[in-house]
Amino acid sequence: SQQGEEDPQALSIQEGENATMNCSYKTSINNLQWYRQNSGRGLVHLILIRSNEREKHSGRLRVTLDTSKKSSSLLITASRAADTASYFCAADSWGKLQFGAGTQVVVTP
Amino acid sequence: GAVVSQHPSWVICKSGTSVKIECRSLDFQATTMFWYRQFPKQSLMLMATSNEGSKATYEQGVEKDKFLINHASLTLSTLTVTSAHPEDSSFYICSATFRGYQDNEQFFGPGTRLTVL
Repeated sequence: SQQGEEDPQALSIQEGENATMNCSYKTSINNLQWYRQNSGRGLVHLILIRSNEREKHSGRLRVTLDTSKKSSSLLITASRAADTASYFCAADSWGKLQFGAGTQVVVTP
Repeated sequence: GAVVSQHPSWVICKSGTSVKIECRSLDFQATTMFWYRQFPKQSLMLMATSNEGSKATYEQGVEKDKFLINHASLTLSTLTVTSAHPEDSSFYICSATFRGYQDNEQFFGPGTRLTVL
């Protein structure tokens, strides 16, 4: 299967809270990427972490990568209603992206 | 970053007809283009990888005669869904990579929603 696992499948939080989602993948990777997708729309690239990196920050986003466990996590701090979307991880293996199943995040005001 | 467009953004067709979807890179010449499909509430599945002037490489389980990919230039790739059936209804998304960007970063188009009646 191309897809990795993501958990949770769905997450409902209130504004101001943090949202954490996890991703596991199956193959060796060059990098791991996270994307956001609003309902019925295209993908927005959020952040990329290389295989030799363990943690990366971008604004309210924090990504970790554990290649020994083949897993990554995305933390969104101080969430906003506008963060409501589906979030996908994508493992880059030799130029091909293998997407996780996604986490649907709902942030209520 | 680089801009990738798709046309049309949505299309409705009758069963048995063929539909062509275009993917264009607007700023730069793409080195590689990718086609994905996404069913409702599911993830993206890679269908094929396409390089200009050569045949597309299809993922296992994707029928190449059903999903024809033509990569005619460095800025244009087309996906034709032949003899479409309702089960082909899906969200089709293309992406492209460009020289000069690190990590083979893929830039995604906005997607095309295909509905087959």
